[in-house]
Amino acid sequence: GAVVSQHPSWVICKSGTSVKIECRSLDFQATTMFWYRQFPKQSLMLMATSNEGSKATYEQGVEKDKFLINHASLTLSTLTVTSAHPEDSSFYICSATGGPGYGYTFGSGTRLTVV
Amino acid sequence: DQQVKQNSPSLSVQEGRISILNCDYTNSMFDYFLWYKKYPAEGPTFLISISSIKDKNEDGRFTVFLNKSAKHLSLHIVPSQPGDSAVYFCAASEWGSQGNLIFGKGTKLSVKP
Repeated sequence: GAVVSQHPSWVICKSGTSVKIECRSLDFQATTMFWYRQFPKQSLMLMATSNEGSKATYEQGVEKDKFLINHASLTLSTLTVTSAHPEDSSFYICSATGGPGYGYTFGSGTRLTVV
Repeated sequence: DQQVKQNSPSLSVQEGRISILNCDYTNSMFDYFLWYKKYPAEGPTFLISISSIKDKNEDGRFTVFLNKSAKHLSLHIVPSQPGDSAVYFCAASEWGSQGNLIFGKGTKLSVKP
């Protein structure tokens, strides 16, 4: 149980275009979803926390107008990288939890390359 | 199908003793393995990694062992400290450190004083 599907697993896009990444909880209701970005030395930076039906909470330094997060249902959250630039190229990963007492389940990640 | 499995959701250890966290994987193409530590309300932080060309990597109190034939890795923490109490995630990737990370579901470690 507790499966999170993240799609696409990799994407190449042109600079200036937008890319949408989906994160779905397949067999549980994800009250909270988290979006991370991987930086060098394998560190994961928390970008934002989203609760179903409310606006995402962004971490300091993360541009909310550039990284649009929508958590419209209990099973789906999306991250849209708008007007992507080469420096946005990275590995993005989501995780989800059903609430207090539940564990965290990670998606399989999305490798974004902006050319 | 889960490619990275952490079969123990929780582990309780006495301070000063050894903590052993286990992780199994099914994809023989994985060649890079990592351990992350996560405190509540924070993102996972990188702890230690190991390449498939090695069978052991040590960093201070943390040692990761890799058994490729068994598709098993473990994280040893010696001596365990109360501050080590957190959720530990095992992750694996193909293509070395550049590959997408596949995470296990985590093991919650509690170190009791």
